[in-house]
Amino acid sequence: DARVTQTPRHKVTEMGQEVTMRCQPILGHNTVFWYRQTMMQGLELLAYFRNRAPLDDSGMPKDRFSAEMPDATLATLKIQPSEPRDSAVYFCASGLTGPKPYEQYFGPGTRLTVT
Amino acid sequence: GENVEQHPSTLSVQEGDSAVIKCTYSDSASNYFPWYKQELGKRPQLIIDIRSNVGEKKDQRIAVTLNKTAKHFSLHITETQPEDSAVYFCAASMEYGNKLVFGAGTILRVKS
Repeated sequence: DARVTQTPRHKVTEMGQEVTMRCQPILGHNTVFWYRQTMMQGLELLAYFRNRAPLDDSGMPKDRFSAEMPDATLATLKIQPSEPRDSAVYFCASGLTGPKPYEQYFGPGTRLTVT
Repeated sequence: GENVEQHPSTLSVQEGDSAVIKCTYSDSASNYFPWYKQELGKRPQLIIDIRSNVGEKKDQRIAVTLNKTAKHFSLHITETQPEDSAVYFCAASMEYGNKLVFGAGTILRVKS
């Protein structure tokens, strides 16, 4: 049963530190999404990639967030410097474009706490 | 851009009763509408989806209806069970593989 994996699952860090979250999409999937979930804002799309190319990162604070796909098996989301308001659960999801019913498969999430 | 509104924000039903969650979307170009279920501390998981060329879709106890003219779609859960308790999210997308815009979520509590 193929699944999206994310590391770390939990991260506690101090304000100002760099945070890197990693995602391994399901093998063969060509679309990767980064979401942030908070109680106040719900599920927000931060960025997404198709065939490793960034398509939309308008939901991401550009001054401190960056998202990359160094290769087809790895997507990263970095926050530098981190702030307490970045505390949230960050989900990665992957999918496959095409004529068949399209579904985004979510990873287990990274719970980030910035103190 | 697309905007999705979801109601109600919380819903409590007695076990065995039906539950209905409604969503409206703003962009008539949206053509794909999935519903996700998220249990506490878990990842969102797709439970059912519908495309704009279909008015209704059913899978056992869950069904989704779509009204393109009114730009709204609904999730129907019949014979609810305690394990149906979760947060349910609707979403809309304009093309295959494109980004999903999510509703704010509905907390469903099924009381036994």
